[in-house]
Amino acid sequence: EVQLVESGGDLVQPGESLRLSCAASGFTFSRYWMHWVRQAPGKGLVWVSRINHDGSSPSYADSVEGRFTISRDNAKNTLYLQMNSLKVEDTAVYYCARATYTSGWYMSDYWGQGTLVTVSS
Amino acid sequence: DIQMTQSPSSLSASEGDRVTVTCRASQTISTYLNWYQQKPGKAPKVLIYGVSSLQSGVPSRFSGSGSGTDFTLTINNLQPEDFATYYCQQTYSTPFTFGPGTKVDIK
Repeated sequence: EVQLVESGGDLVQPGESLRLSCAASGFTFSRYWMHWVRQAPGKGLVWVSRINHDGSSPSYADSVEGRFTISRDNAKNTLYLQMNSLKVEDTAVYYCARATYTSGWYMSDYWGQGTLVTVSS
Repeated sequence: DIQMTQSPSSLSASEGDRVTVTCRASQTISTYLNWYQQKPGKAPKVLIYGVSSLQSGVPSRFSGSGSGTDFTLTINNLQPEDFATYYCQQTYSTPFTFGPGTKVDIK
């Protein structure tokens, strides 16, 4: 059974840092691209970042470029999101999701339960 | 960046109704369009990928169509478990933007 379990969410002050983790199991983690998606309270989904299977090609939303870093440890089956210089507007539930490539299209077919990051003074 | 819009932002419908949600991209995205369903407090669930391909396990009352910039999600014979928020997402180019969502609630 595919499982993605996020952790690391917390209440932090503006300007502080936080690292989220996403532990993957039930599939060959190293073969899949992975994404982070966030959702502010009562708002819609926002794509944050994605990383290819070996970590050599990350991509970011403009709103987090230069502040957030996505990485992965395929030996530990774990995805990370290092978040620096956090802003109040980064407050959200952060989901990790597996990207599956099927018939020429990408989709996020498995999602974690999410971890809440609150940035407030 | 490609901007995604959806209409309506919300709608009320009854069990058994046919519901249509529209998604528009700010530039052509070919057929790189997915639809997700999200219920309160839960993670999103993929329904349709590549505009019209039904994800495994998703009921056939869900269907998708369109190409280029204009896309549609249709739910036939709306069931109680379908009351949720629906999001489109383009995967043509990063950032893989989502639409703002369409909330389907009970009339």
